[in-house]
Amino acid sequence: RKEVEQDPGPFNVPEGATVAFNCTYSNSASQSFFWYRQDCRKEPKLLMSVYSSGNEDGRFTAQLNRASQYISLLIRDSKLSDSATYLCVVNWGYFGTGTSLTVIP
Amino acid sequence: NAGVTQTPKFQVLKTGQSMTLQCAQDMNHNSMYWYRQDPGMGLRLIYYSASEGTTDKGEVPNGYNVSRLNKREFSLRLESAAPSQTSVYFCASMVVGGSNQPQHFGDGTRLSIL
Repeated sequence: RKEVEQDPGPFNVPEGATVAFNCTYSNSASQSFFWYRQDCRKEPKLLMSVYSSGNEDGRFTAQLNRASQYISLLIRDSKLSDSATYLCVVNWGYFGTGTSLTVIP
Repeated sequence: NAGVTQTPKFQVLKTGQSMTLQCAQDMNHNSMYWYRQDPGMGLRLIYYSASEGTTDKGEVPNGYNVSRLNKREFSLRLESAAPSQTSVYFCASMVVGGSNQPQHFGDGTRLSIL
C-alpha cells in the first residue's frame, strides 16, 4: 500500500464552482500535512499547512481527519488561476501523485 | 534571497555518462532532499540529508549517490546514466527534518538520457 494516495483527477470545473480533493495516508503516526500547488511541472510551492483543527486561507480550506486518515482541500469560488496540480504531502517526504484541476471559463 | 538553487536547469546525457546535479540553499536549513518526478508518479524521494554530515536513502536510491558538501550544498550524482533516469529532479530544503515545517523547492533540473 502506498504511503499516500490521491485521486489524480482530472477535475474540470466552471469558474465559481467549489471543488474538493482528498488524500489518504497509511501511517497513523503521521504528524505533519501539507498541500502544495504545482504549475506545468515547475517546482511545487506550498499552498498551506494542514492543522488538526482545520484551517482556512481565503478561498482555501484544509482539514485533517485522523480517524479516517485523510486530509482534504476545499477551494471555493474557483478562479481560472487556480488551474494547476495539487499535491498532498504527509510528513516530510511522502507526496501524493497530484490532482489536476482545470477551471473553465 | 535566492532560496534553493539548482544547476543545471537542463541536461542531455548519453547512456553511461556521469554527471552531478548541484543544489544550494541560503536559508540556513538543516535538512536537504533530492526527489525525482515522472509523469503520473508524483515526487519520489531519492536521498535526503537530515543534517550536515549525514545522508540516507529514500524510496528510489538505486543508481544515485549524494554528497552533503556543507550545510548549504547537497549534490546528486549519476555514475552511469540510464534512460530510466530521464526525469525532472527537484532539490528541497527544510528547517529541521521531521518538524512540522514545509519544504522549499528549487526550480528543478530536467534531465534526458539518450
